[in-house]
Amino acid sequence: QITLKESGPTLVKATQTLTLTCTFSGFSLSTTGEAVGWIRQPPGKALEWLALIYWDSDKLYSPSLKSRLTITKDTSKKQVVLTMTNMDPMDTASYFCAHKQNNWFDPWGQGTLVTVYS
Amino acid sequence: SYELTQPPSVSVSPGQTASITCSGDKLGDKYACWYQQKPGQSPVLVIYQNNKRPSGIPERFSGSNSGNTATLTISGTQAMDEADYYCQTWDNSIVIFGGGTKLTVL
Repeated sequence: QITLKESGPTLVKATQTLTLTCTFSGFSLSTTGEAVGWIRQPPGKALEWLALIYWDSDKLYSPSLKSRLTITKDTSKKQVVLTMTNMDPMDTASYFCAHKQNNWFDPWGQGTLVTVYS
Repeated sequence: SYELTQPPSVSVSPGQTASITCSGDKLGDKYACWYQQKPGQSPVLVIYQNNKRPSGIPERFSGSNSGNTATLTISGTQAMDEADYYCQTWDNSIVIFGGGTKLTVL
């Protein structure tokens, strides 16, 4: 059974850097084909894909946020870390990590709400 | 940039069939999947690879994808199906989500 759980600060001051950790179980990010992604959702709004990291450390980023995002993995700790620089109140959202299978995400973590204040 | 367009809302009576569309340029040439999200919960995959159901998803959920439109169909809609639904695909190594559709069962 695959599970994922997000952790990190609930409040972030504008201009600061956000660091979120996704801790997972039930698979290994050293196994060929495996990948973990980050997706966010502002309150009352749609899902927005942010980044993805593969077992071979290949990384993909949303073009609109690429300059602000960094995704890394720690295979031994079974963790994926997302950092987002220069946070703005518009970045207030629930942030989800999810296990990527082929072309879809399943399952998703419970999400963590991050509020950015100025 | 590639976009997926969904109707903001769809209403259906209990027991009837609900259809939620997702439109994108030549979407039928790509794989589409669908997620269900209930208030305060994480998205749950209900359809992958256009028309496949994950284990545990009721048979009343089905999908199709042709031309420029992918469609999620819920037959015999139940009150528990009231939720937001999102389509998703890939375009040039970028993950694309639709804007979401709120399904109301009334």
